[in-house]
Amino acid sequence: EVQVVESGGGLVQPGGSLRLSCAASGFTFSNFGMTWVRQAPGKGLEWVSYISSSSRTIYYVDSVKGRFTISRDNAKNSLYLQMNSLRDEDTAVYYCARDEGYTYGLEYWGQGTLVTVSS
Amino acid sequence: DIQMTQSPSSLSASVGDRVTISCRASQSTSIYLNWYQQKPGKAPKLLIYGASSLQSGVPSRFSGSGSGTDFTLTISSLQPEDFATYYCQQSYTTPRTFGQGTKVEIK
Repeated sequence: EVQVVESGGGLVQPGGSLRLSCAASGFTFSNFGMTWVRQAPGKGLEWVSYISSSSRTIYYVDSVKGRFTISRDNAKNSLYLQMNSLRDEDTAVYYCARDEGYTYGLEYWGQGTLVTVSS
Repeated sequence: DIQMTQSPSSLSASVGDRVTISCRASQSTSIYLNWYQQKPGKAPKLLIYGASSLQSGVPSRFSGSGSGTDFTLTISSLQPEDFATYYCQQSYTTPRTFGQGTKVEIK
């Protein structure tokens, strides 16, 4: 069974840092790109970042460029999102999802991890 | 960035109703348009990919159509479990933007 499980969320002060992790199982992790999507409380979905299977291709939404870094460790079947210089508006549930490619969308999602940026 | 605009933002419908949700892109996304269903406190669920392809395991009452800039999600006969929020997403280019969502509520 395909599973992705996020962890690492919590309360952090503005300007602080947090590292999210996503543990994958049930599929060959090194064959798939991965994506982070976030959802602010009571708001819609926002695509955040993508990393290809080999880490050669990486994309970010403009609002996190220069502050967030996506990475992966295929040997550990894990995806990461390093978040620095956090702002109030980064408060959200962060989901990781297996990226089936631009043709197929995001089929497998984790349950999400809540990041709260507040003083 | 490609802006995705859904209409309506919310709707009230009864069980058995036919429901249509529209999604318009600010520029062509070809057929690279996906639809998701999200229930409160849950992760989104992929319903439709490639504008009109039904994801495995999704009931056939869900269908998608369109290409270019105009897309539609149709639920042919609304069921109790379909009350949720629906999002379109373009996967033509990055950032792979989502629409703002359409909340389907019980009438």
